[in-house]
Amino acid sequence: QVQLVESGGGVVQPGRSLRLSCAASGFTFSSYAMHWVRQAPGKGLEWVAVISFDGSNKKYADSVKGRFTVSRDNSKNTLYLQMNSLRAEDTAVYYCARDSWQLPSEYFQHWGQGTLVSVSS
Amino acid sequence: EIVLTQSPGTLSLSPGERATLSCRASQSVDSGHLAWYQQKPGQAPRLLIYGAFSRATGIPDRFSGSGSGTDFILTISRLEPEDFAVYYCQQYGGSPQWTFGQGTKVEIK
Repeated sequence: QVQLVESGGGVVQPGRSLRLSCAASGFTFSSYAMHWVRQAPGKGLEWVAVISFDGSNKKYADSVKGRFTVSRDNSKNTLYLQMNSLRAEDTAVYYCARDSWQLPSEYFQHWGQGTLVSVSS
Repeated sequence: EIVLTQSPGTLSLSPGERATLSCRASQSVDSGHLAWYQQKPGQAPRLLIYGAFSRATGIPDRFSGSGSGTDFILTISRLEPEDFAVYYCQQYGGSPQWTFGQGTKVEIK
């Protein structure tokens, strides 16, 4: 059974940094692309970043490009999102989601339960 | 950017009724690149439909997807109590490559 468990969220001041983690189990983590998707309180879904199965291919939404970095450690079955220069508008629940293939493809097959990031002074 | 507009914003129906949810794209979307998700309060989204028509694993056959080009439909043939939730459509292939509609809430009438 696919399980994705996010951690690392919390309250952080504007301009500071935070690193999110997503621990994967129940499937061969190193065989799938992985995404981060966020949802601001009471709002819809916004794709944030994707990383290919081997970490060689990464893409970002314009809203986070240059501030956020996605990475993975296949030996630890863990996905990361390093978030720098955080802004109030980054406040959201951050979900990790598994792709259906090793390279970024059309949809998000499995989702974690999310971790809340709140950017506030 | 491909903008997805979902309608209606809220659908008020009774259990057993048929629900028809619309997703309209600002540009043509490859049918293979359109998906639908269900989200219940406090929960993560769940994949329902991919490739516009294909049900994800474990999804009941009362859920069906249709459409092409710029107009796509999610139909729930007979609403069960557990189907009251928010539904999102999502496309792949524009820039940014993955975008979502704003959601349709299906509520109990």
